[in-house]
Amino acid sequence: GQNIDQPTEMTATEGAIVQINCTYQTSGFNGLFWYQQHAGEAPTFLSYNVLDGLEEKGRFSSFLSRSKGYSYLLLKELQMKDSASYLCAVRDSNYQLIWGAGTKLIIKP
Amino acid sequence: EPEVTQTPSHQVTQMGQEVILRCVPISNHLYFYWYRQILGQKVEFLVSFYNNEISEKSEIFDDQFSVERPDGSNFTLKIRSTKLEDSAMYFCAYQGGQATTQYFGPGTRLLVL
Repeated sequence: GQNIDQPTEMTATEGAIVQINCTYQTSGFNGLFWYQQHAGEAPTFLSYNVLDGLEEKGRFSSFLSRSKGYSYLLLKELQMKDSASYLCAVRDSNYQLIWGAGTKLIIKP
Repeated sequence: EPEVTQTPSHQVTQMGQEVILRCVPISNHLYFYWYRQILGQKVEFLVSFYNNEISEKSEIFDDQFSVERPDGSNFTLKIRSTKLEDSAMYFCAYQGGQATTQYFGPGTRLLVL
């Protein structure tokens, strides 16, 4: 079966750095996506990785290792508005997105 | 700003009633998707729509569900006879960008009583 694992919840301090991990087992791989979802709102696209390595976009970076079936989202200089759920999704061989359950990130002052 | 809008933003209905959820694209896209997300749970794929036809559908998308593009613009997701477990957020998404990323509409919150 297809499976994506992420921690359920993480807590971090404003101004700090946090790393959210995602491991996946899917039938085929055509890219990995990270989305941010605030409570009661739609997911919004953050990043995309299809090749191994680090993609940096401002305060957010995403890393991929295809051989390990592993990705992480790195958030720097945390702000209170970063409190949200972070969803990892993998596009499989049928080009369907398989979703993780999301990691709820709580930022404390 | 999302390039799709969804109506209604909220809907409350009685079990067994039919509901129609609408997705209105602002720009021209070929691929559209419907997802649902039960409160506190993961996003679940329902159906994908390409060039006015269903291209993929999940096990969730049974005979109770249907999608249409009645006027060549708006997309509708119809649930024929709602059940309590249909209560969820329903998102329309379109595919765009270099990575063929999916972008989500604001969603419709459906509550079945």
